Amino acid sequence: EPEVTQTPSHQVTQMGQEVILRCVPISNHLYFYWYRQILGQKVEFLVSFYNNEISEKSEIFDDQFSVERPDGSNFTLKIRSTKLEDSAMYFCASRSGGDYEQYFGPGTRLTVT
Amino acid sequence: ILNVEQSPQSLHVQEGDSTNFTCSFPSSNFYALHWYRWETAKSPEALFVMTLNGDEKKKGRISATLNTKEGYSYLYIKGSQPEDSATYLCAFNSGGYQKVTFGIGTKLQVIP
Repeated sequence: EPEVTQTPSHQVTQMGQEVILRCVPISNHLYFYWYRQILGQKVEFLVSFYNNEISEKSEIFDDQFSVERPDGSNFTLKIRSTKLEDSAMYFCASRSGGDYEQYFGPGTRLTVT
Repeated sequence: ILNVEQSPQSLHVQEGDSTNFTCSFPSSNFYALHWYRWETAKSPEALFVMTLNGDEKKKGRISATLNTKEGYSYLYIKGSQPEDSATYLCAFNSGGYQKVTFGIGTKLQVIP
């Protein structure tokens, strides 16, 4: 069964460093998403991406964040200058055009020290 | 600000017992309601997506109902098994927007 994959599973970085989190969505899907969950809190929407552009973003998704689909298969989330409060589990999800159901990856745990 | 509330936040049941939890969401501008099952160290797994008032969906021993007029959904598990132990997340779309707002989840522990 096709699945969404994410790499790395755990990333440790120092405050101020740039990180890139990678996702490979399901191949025929058209809509792509990033979410995050800070430990003990709700899963929060960050951004949705369709037709090679951002379709919606939350107030969390400020200028420090960017997304890209560089080669038609990968979908990346970049954080330019990480802060301690960016430590969270980051989930990628994708869905097909004719379906509401989003398929989630296993997440990347980002730890900023 | 959209708020999705789930209760209880944590639940322990004996194997074989049936159980249910609640998700409440804003009743205006409803678009879709999602239930996910999330086991530790795994991807959240979609259980149901419901879009119409009165929808009832079933997958094995798990079923869900939807009331969009009053803004709630119930998830039922019949004859709970230890493998049902997981966090059950509810999430809500409004107005066709891509953004999905999640509840905090109900963490279910089934005791053998």
